[in-house]
Amino acid sequence: AQSVTQLGSHVSVSEGALVLLRCNYSSSVPPYLFWYVQYPNQGLQLLLKYTSAATLVKGINGFEAEFKKSETSFHLTKPSAHMSDAAEYFCAVSGGPGGSQGNLIFGKGTKLSVKP
Amino acid sequence: NAGVTQTPKFRVLKTGQSMTLLCAQDMNHEYMYWYRQDPGMGLRLIHYSVGEGTTAKGEVPDGYNVSRLKKQNFLLGLESAAPSQTSVYFCASGNSDRGENEKLFFGSGTQLSVL
Repeated sequence: AQSVTQLGSHVSVSEGALVLLRCNYSSSVPPYLFWYVQYPNQGLQLLLKYTSAATLVKGINGFEAEFKKSETSFHLTKPSAHMSDAAEYFCAVSGGPGGSQGNLIFGKGTKLSVKP
Repeated sequence: NAGVTQTPKFRVLKTGQSMTLLCAQDMNHEYMYWYRQDPGMGLRLIHYSVGEGTTAKGEVPDGYNVSRLKKQNFLLGLESAAPSQTSVYFCASGNSDRGENEKLFFGSGTQLSVL
């Protein structure tokens, strides 16, 4: 069964510093992987997704993620953090309950704080 | 284009009361989902629908019922609310059953407290 583990429930960085949010997955089939962001009191928005076309995926707001099959990882990075990046980030893998590929299994989330 | 709209945004119930959460999407999506979000638990799928008139159980379906009588609407019902159902509920809709093309569009959530 598919599963997602996000390492670190809270990450704090200084403005301008590198952002690294870790995600490891478990999947019995080639996975489709996603990063979603949730700003306070809002629903989730798609940041980027991996669908096997390229291992380095670029998303919105300067974020990117690299799919590493050998490490079963899909870590999210941004070279320089901005105050507006403060939010909760969720990694997700497709293939959830019921077998529908559209059902996503979410990690528990990582809250990113950005210090001035 | 409103996207995914959830009503109500907030609700307080007493144990044993019933209520229905409404989700409406205007993107002609086939797939709709109800998730609950609890601190430190991420999002967990309650029920989902792959088309008008169809519903299926997700990871945590107990205590909830759903209906999809119209393609654009997906209703989540609580027949007898319990404190364990205190949570933030998110509705989402999607445009494909294939993960490659999947993108979920989320509503802004309903905060439900059961006393």
